[in-house]
Amino acid sequence: DAGVIQSPRHEVTEMGQEVTLRCKPISGHNSLFWYRQTMMRGLELLIYFNNNVPIDDSGMPEDRFSAKMPNASFSTLKIQPSEPRDSAVYFCASRPSGGSSYEQYFGPGTRLTVT
Amino acid sequence: AQSVSQHNHHVILSEAASLELGCNYSYGGTVNLFWYVQYPGQHLQLLLKYFSGDPLVKGIKGFEAEFIKSKFSFNLRKPSVQWSDTAEYFCAVNGVSGNKLVFGAGTILRVKS
Repeated sequence: DAGVIQSPRHEVTEMGQEVTLRCKPISGHNSLFWYRQTMMRGLELLIYFNNNVPIDDSGMPEDRFSAKMPNASFSTLKIQPSEPRDSAVYFCASRPSGGSSYEQYFGPGTRLTVT
Repeated sequence: AQSVSQHNHHVILSEAASLELGCNYSYGGTVNLFWYVQYPGQHLQLLLKYFSGDPLVKGIKGFEAEFIKSKFSFNLRKPSVQWSDTAEYFCAVNGVSGNKLVFGAGTILRVKS
């Protein structure tokens, strides 16, 4: 199994530009999570999906952030317009069905730098 | 709301020293507990988890953790650390009826060779 796949691995963009981060969960996993990791705030859950449906987006910082999961094998996190304070590592994780005792499997992350 | 507290932000040990990282959580119901490790430049990987049964859980690479329900604690231990254990360690909790995993702030462990 290839694990959770994220692209790009690194993204450098200028303030005001649109950024799209991509995630392919592990096949058969029905829950998908987006996290942001910064030195100041640690690891924060932004949003998660069950069976492609957004369940809790209370962690999304503001309207500039949006996430979609059009099918079971693909999700995007979009920031428009981007700001320097969005610089962070963004992780995607997936989890199999069957309950909360199953661990989440994390992708390698996308390191975003907004200048 | 659930919360997780990790007492030490930075720990420095010499090789072969024993390790204990503290983790306390706040949650009113039955929980699942996890320790994840993040090696430099890498993604989070599961070290061990507890969801029921024996409160002493064995994980990979010689790590173990003990769930003490009365203390709301899930401390991570290793009797003898190695240089390769240098990493950041995260404690996490979710309720058995929920999906959200709440992470602690993390503890950065540096092992001196």
